[in-house]
Amino acid sequence: AQSVSQHNHHVILSEAASLELGCNYSYGGTVNLFWYVQYPGQHLQLLLKYFSGDPLVKGIKGFEAEFIKSKFSFNLRKPSVQWSDTAEYFCAAGYKNRDDKIIFGKGTRLHILP
Amino acid sequence: DVKVTQSSRYLVKRTGEKVFLECVQDMDHENMFWYRQDPGLGLRLIYFSYDVKMKEKGDIPEGYSVSREKKERFSLILESASTNQTSMYLCASSFPGVSYNSPLHFGNGTRLTVT
Repeated sequence: AQSVSQHNHHVILSEAASLELGCNYSYGGTVNLFWYVQYPGQHLQLLLKYFSGDPLVKGIKGFEAEFIKSKFSFNLRKPSVQWSDTAEYFCAAGYKNRDDKIIFGKGTRLHILP
Repeated sequence: DVKVTQSSRYLVKRTGEKVFLECVQDMDHENMFWYRQDPGLGLRLIYFSYDVKMKEKGDIPEGYSVSREKKERFSLILESASTNQTSMYLCASSFPGVSYNSPLHFGNGTRLTVT
């Protein structure tokens, strides 16, 4: 069965540090990839998505992610984090042959120290 | 801007009660979903629907049912609530067509406690 794995459950960084959150997805044919973010007390919202084309995808708030097909990875990056980036981040994959359902990873809780 | 509204932010119910969680979206989306979110487990799909009166089981449908009588409304029903259904429930909708191609728009969630 298809799955999405996020390597880190909880990450603590200081402001201005660089961020990379790992995400791996299992093979399953045509796949689209997403990162969602949930700020404290708010609803989940889309950070960025990859469907095809340039494997380096830019999203909102300075985030980017790189699709590496050979590694089945879609890691999220930000060069310099801010305290307001404190949130939970979810990687997700949509598989065309899985009845079109989107599978989520277990999430990474990011805590930025001021 | 897409708005997905869940009727209750917090609910407390007793074991054995029948519980209804309501979700309404205002963007004419055909696809609607119910997830539950638990710490360390991420989001797990309970049920989804691609059209009125249509429903499909997700990964964890046991103990739940759904109803979609109108395009904008998707209800999750706990037939007989149990303590292991204490969770955050998230409703989502997406654009028409193949859902794997469409980002999801989420509601604020309903935190259900079953005592």
